[in-house]
Formats: sequence, structure tokens, C-alpha cells
Amino acid sequence: GEDVEQSLFLSVREGDSSVINCTYTDSSSTYLYWYKQEPGAGLQLLTYIFSNMDMKQDQRLTVLLNKKDKHLSLRIADTQTGDSAIYFCAENYMEYGNKLVFGAGTILRVKS
Amino acid sequence: DAGVIQSPRHEVTEMGQEVTLRCKPISGHNSLFWYRQTMMRGLELLIYFNNNVPIDDSGMPEDRFSAKMPNASFSTLKIQPSEPRDSAVYFCASSYRGGGANVLTFGAGSRLTVL
Repeated sequence: GEDVEQSLFLSVREGDSSVINCTYTDSSSTYLYWYKQEPGAGLQLLTYIFSNMDMKQDQRLTVLLNKKDKHLSLRIADTQTGDSAIYFCAENYMEYGNKLVFGAGTILRVKS
Repeated sequence: DAGVIQSPRHEVTEMGQEVTLRCKPISGHNSLFWYRQTMMRGLELLIYFNNNVPIDDSGMPEDRFSAKMPNASFSTLKIQPSEPRDSAVYFCASSYRGGGANVLTFGAGSRLTVL
């Protein structure tokens, strides 16, 4: 079945690195995504990774993908207070075309 | 482009009333998604459309929920009759599906409170 799991909460100090982890179930997913949700707003795409890649870097963001373990992580370097938000990972569930299944979200709290 | 437009932003209604949520996707996008977000269940996909045709409605909780997409620029999600457990934030999202990554653009959401 479809299931994307994430830890619910992460607290870090400003300037430290944050690592948010995610596990997914659909081994045929071609893309995996990270979205960010700020209070009172919809989700915004942060980055995505194609399944034949192990790593993708985009400024302060680094995505690592372990296909064997179906594990995805998002590392935010030099975390700022403005990074406080809910982070969602999502997989492209291929059995039903372009259906995106999201995890429950990880609340990131950055302490100054 | 103004992005995905949802209305109303907030709705408070009484149990048993009909609720209609509206969505205008981004022009040129050919897929549209309705999600529901609650503290208990997180973000749930209710239904999605490709080229105005419903593809997967397995997430629609029960017959009280219905969704339509009469044309490429408009969709509605209707709840009739509404119940307190329907209280949630309902998001509409759209994307262009033409190969490659399926990047969804979300609206700001409609917060529904059923008393």
C-alpha cells in the first residue's frame, strides 16, 4: 500500500544543520519530493530528486536517496529561524499515474 | 500567473449544511488535486483529475463528498450534508503532467469549520 513516514518533530539551534528523514513504500517511484509549509499557507515545493540519483544539492539543501532502503533525507545547512515550518516528503505513486502521496510532515523548530 | 486560487479562504457552517469549495488552477496545467489536511490524519489526497477527468477518487471519504471539474479552469469540491468531522483545511493543487517531475502548485487552502 501507499505509506510515507516521517518523524513528527525536530528542534535545532540557529546555525546548526537540520536533517529530516522519510521512508516510502513504492519502489517504482520515479521522483521524490520535499515540500515546505509555512503557517497559514499552502505547501511549496523545495526540491525533488529523480530516482536514479543518490544525491542532489541545491544551495543550503542536500537531498540523499537510498533506494535500497527506500529512505530519503533532507539536510538544511546553516539553519535559520526562517526555516521553521512543516516539511513534507512525497512520493510519486506510480500505480495510479501521477498521484502524489505525502507523509504526515515534520515540524522543524529553529531556536535562536 | 496568480497561482492556484481557492475560495472561500474560511468557511464556518452548521452541521447538515451544504459546503462548496472552489478552485481555479494555473492556466495550462492539466492535472488538479484536492487534498484535506487535519492534525489527526495529516495531508490526505481526496481526488485528482487529469485533463478534467477524475482518475482516482479512492480518497473521498464517503458519498457526502463530490468533486467536479467542468472545464480546465475550474473545479469544485462539495460536501452535502456537512458534519463536524469534516472540519479541516482543504487544499487544491495543480500541475502540468507531461513527463518529468510532477511538481504541484498549491493554493492557500480553504479552512472549513463545521459546528
